[in-house]
Amino acid sequence: SQQGEEDPQALSIQEGENATMNCSYKTSINNLQWYRQNSGRGLVHLILIRSNEREKHSGRLRVTLDTSKKSSSLLITASRAADTASYFCATDRGTGNQFYFGTGTSLTVIP
Amino acid sequence: DAGVIQSPRHEVTEMGQEVTLRCKPISGHNSLFWYRQTMMRGLELLIYFNNNVPIDDSGMPEDRFSAKMPNASFSTLKIQPSEPRDSAVYFCASSLTDRVYEQYFGPGTRLTVT
Repeated sequence: SQQGEEDPQALSIQEGENATMNCSYKTSINNLQWYRQNSGRGLVHLILIRSNEREKHSGRLRVTLDTSKKSSSLLITASRAADTASYFCATDRGTGNQFYFGTGTSLTVIP
Repeated sequence: DAGVIQSPRHEVTEMGQEVTLRCKPISGHNSLFWYRQTMMRGLELLIYFNNNVPIDDSGMPEDRFSAKMPNASFSTLKIQPSEPRDSAVYFCASSLTDRVYEQYFGPGTRLTVT
C-alpha cells in the first residue's frame, strides 16, 4: 500500500519558473527520498533527507522536511524542459530498509 | 556498469499463462526489490531480498506471485496463472545494504495480460 501522497497530482509551468511539489505521509520515518521518473523509464534517485534534517540542497533541488506535520516539499528552481517528468516521494515507515512510494506529481515544463 | 537489467521489456500474454520476469542487479549490490506500477495503485513494493534471502514479501498480492533469487546476480518474478489485472509495469531495483535509500531502478517490464 502507498505511504505518501504527493500534491499536486499534476503541475504545468513555464521554463525558468520554480516548481514546488509536496508530499504528505502517515507514519514515522527515518528517511524520506525523492525520485524522478521520465516517461517509460525507471525511477532515478534524486535526494534523501533524514528525519533529523530540515532542509537539504542538491544543485537546483531543495527539499524540506517537517516531521511534526509529516510533510516534505521538493523545490526545483529555474526549471528546464528536461525536468518534465513524474516526481515521487518515498518513505521508510521507520524500517530504514524498505521504501514506500507516493502517487507522484506529474510535472510539465513548457519551453 | 550496465545498471539494472530487466527482461523482457515488453510481455503480452493470455490469461492463464505463466509469466516469468527477470532481473540482473548491479554487480556488488546485495539488496534487490521488485515493484509493480499501475495508474490506479501507483508504485507498490512487492518483495525485498537481502543477500539473496527474501526479507519481506508482504507486498506480494497473492499466491499466484512468487519470486526467487538463486544467486547474487539474478532474480525472477513469476506469475502463474496470470490474470488481466496483473497488467502493469514491473520494476526491479537494487542497492547496497547500507544504502538502501539509494535504489537503482531497471527500465521495467511492461506486462499486458489479455
